[in-house]
Amino acid sequence: QVQLVESGGGVVQPGRSLRLSCAASGFTFSDYGMHWLRQAPGRGPEWVSGVWNDGHVEGYLESVRGRFTISRDKSKNVLYLQMNSLRAEDTALYYCARETKAVSGTWNWFDPWGQGTQVIVSS
Amino acid sequence: DIQMTQSPSSLSASIGDRVTITCRASDRIYSYLNWYQQKPGKAPKVLIYATSNLQPGVPSRFSGSKSGTDFTLTISNLQPEDFATYYCQQTYNTPPWTFGQGTKVEMK
Repeated sequence: QVQLVESGGGVVQPGRSLRLSCAASGFTFSDYGMHWLRQAPGRGPEWVSGVWNDGHVEGYLESVRGRFTISRDKSKNVLYLQMNSLRAEDTALYYCARETKAVSGTWNWFDPWGQGTQVIVSS
Repeated sequence: DIQMTQSPSSLSASIGDRVTITCRASDRIYSYLNWYQQKPGKAPKVLIYATSNLQPGVPSRFSGSKSGTDFTLTISNLQPEDFATYYCQQTYNTPPWTFGQGTKVEMK
């Protein structure tokens, strides 16, 4: 079945780095755009970054641009998020999600999502 | 960026009730609006895409509609498994994809 499994989260001091990974299985990874989203406690999901199936980066949330880098390894079916210069406000549960489109190609949504990996930025 | 505002932020309802959640976009998003359901400790799950199209397997008691820039998720005949938090998401003007702040449906 389609599955996304995130890893790499943890507790890190402000200014330090982390690299998140998302292992994909059960579908043709190279056919889909992939995204990172995050969710702080009691808040709605927040889109962080996305990458097209061809590796072209769709963009970044303004507050992470220049600090975070999204990438994908098609040979390993893995999505990455390199997070540098971490701040307390980056603390959240980070999800990866597949961008799924309707047959028409007009509509898209995120499905499925992984189970998330927790990132805590604290001194 | 397009801001999505949901109301109410929470509501209390009983089994069998009809529940309505509203989402307003800060600009025109046409029908580019999805609804997600999230249960505690789980990732969001898409229920409806393009305003009113149910995902396969989603019960027909869920429905979506729009009027101008206001979008509505309706749950008719609320069931025990429907107690959860619901989020709207716009996919018209991206990036970024933006979500509402959520509506928690609690048991009365």
